[in-house]
Amino acid sequence: SQQGEEDPQALSIQEGENATMNCSYKTSINNLQWYRQNSGRGLVHLILIRSNEREKHSGRLRVTLDTSKKSSSLLITASRAADTASYFCATGVSGNTGKLIFGQGTTLQVKP
Amino acid sequence: DGGITQSPKYLFRKEGQNVTLSCEQNLNHDAMYWYRQDPGQGLRLIYYSQIVNDFQKGDIAEGYSVSREKKESFPLTVTSAQKNPTAFYLCASSEGRLRGTGELFFGEGSRLTVL
Repeated sequence: SQQGEEDPQALSIQEGENATMNCSYKTSINNLQWYRQNSGRGLVHLILIRSNEREKHSGRLRVTLDTSKKSSSLLITASRAADTASYFCATGVSGNTGKLIFGQGTTLQVKP
Repeated sequence: DGGITQSPKYLFRKEGQNVTLSCEQNLNHDAMYWYRQDPGQGLRLIYYSQIVNDFQKGDIAEGYSVSREKKESFPLTVTSAQKNPTAFYLCASSEGRLRGTGELFFGEGSRLTVL
């Protein structure tokens, strides 16, 4: 079952602009993670935010989590052409065995 | 270098044949996972294993089988019972529920095409 729903499904911006992707989920979670996938490749972990955290930064990435609304957002600032990829949120469900449930992803295109 | 190795990268199968996808990790991780990804879709969990000699079904286990005889290895067999096996298969590992944060490390994937 898909836990997360991401919005928008696709996003196209110019280099230097900021990109914001949103993720909503349905059940209680331990943590929420964001991953990146280049076309035809495996996923790479970007950042993890725990259920008791509200905001987290890593380089040009900023993640927020609102557990009352069951939603998260990923902001990529000053985007680069190399940021072109698909981005997925994944939730670690409370009381579960450690498995993650992934959303359907946002495809980001950054035009040079 | 530590990581996860999936093989083969590309695989073609005739209908009615079983195929086995290999996944090996040298990260000393306890947990391993198999996901399926269809075009433009997210990942769906097929099977996962938290410890050697134990594994659990995920959301779409029908038509698949796994084994976990060694900590480093978690092969996935796509059987002839899987009605629509053409997909991109991703293997992942993590430190495990009791030890780690849940961050997954992924292999580069295996693309299976049924002819």
